[in-house]
Amino acid sequence: AQTVTQSQPEMSVQEAETVTLSCTYDTSESNYYLFWYKQPPSRQMILVIRQEAYKQQNATENRFSVNFQKAAKSFSLKISDSQLGDTAMYFCAFMKRGDMRFGAGTRLTVKP
Amino acid sequence: NAGVTQTPKFQVLKTGQSMTLQCAQDMNHNSMYWYRQDPGMGLRLIYYSASEGTTDKGEVPNGYNVSRLNKREFSLRLESAAPSQTSVYFCASSVRDRVDEQYFGPGTRLTVT
Repeated sequence: AQTVTQSQPEMSVQEAETVTLSCTYDTSESNYYLFWYKQPPSRQMILVIRQEAYKQQNATENRFSVNFQKAAKSFSLKISDSQLGDTAMYFCAFMKRGDMRFGAGTRLTVKP
Repeated sequence: NAGVTQTPKFQVLKTGQSMTLQCAQDMNHNSMYWYRQDPGMGLRLIYYSASEGTTDKGEVPNGYNVSRLNKREFSLRLESAAPSQTSVYFCASSVRDRVDEQYFGPGTRLTVT
């Protein structure tokens, strides 16, 4: 079974600074998909970024980028120019054949 | 488009009672999912439906049943609720089950006393 580990239960960052959230996963598969989801206090799950395992290029979405290290099974999220609205729980997720597995999450607080 | 909608938003049940959580999507997605989220944990997949007419077990299916009523609707039933089923339940959908990101509903907070 696939497992996803987020080793940082909580993190904080000053507004406008950069923060990196860590994620590692365990799988024997070669083709899969990785995601970062954001869950603000409203509880709504919002997709931040996705990465296909067969692509070597790291995905980027505006202020959000990933560092995907397939051999190391690592998938970290970098948030640049942090904003107060980035305060949320962040979940890393692994998907293979529709079966999505989530990590336990990292609570990020952006301080003014 | 409303996206993914769930009813009810909140529910309190007594142990042994039954209920059905409803989910609908208006994005013409093929695949739908049910998750539960417990405090301090990520979402865990209960069941999913890759396409209309099919359902498969996820990570934690025990105590639940599902019905893919049509392409739009996917319901989750608790036949005999237990306190261990107290959780927040999320429904999600995606265009295809194997490759696409999932879009989530707002969640249902269920308490079983």
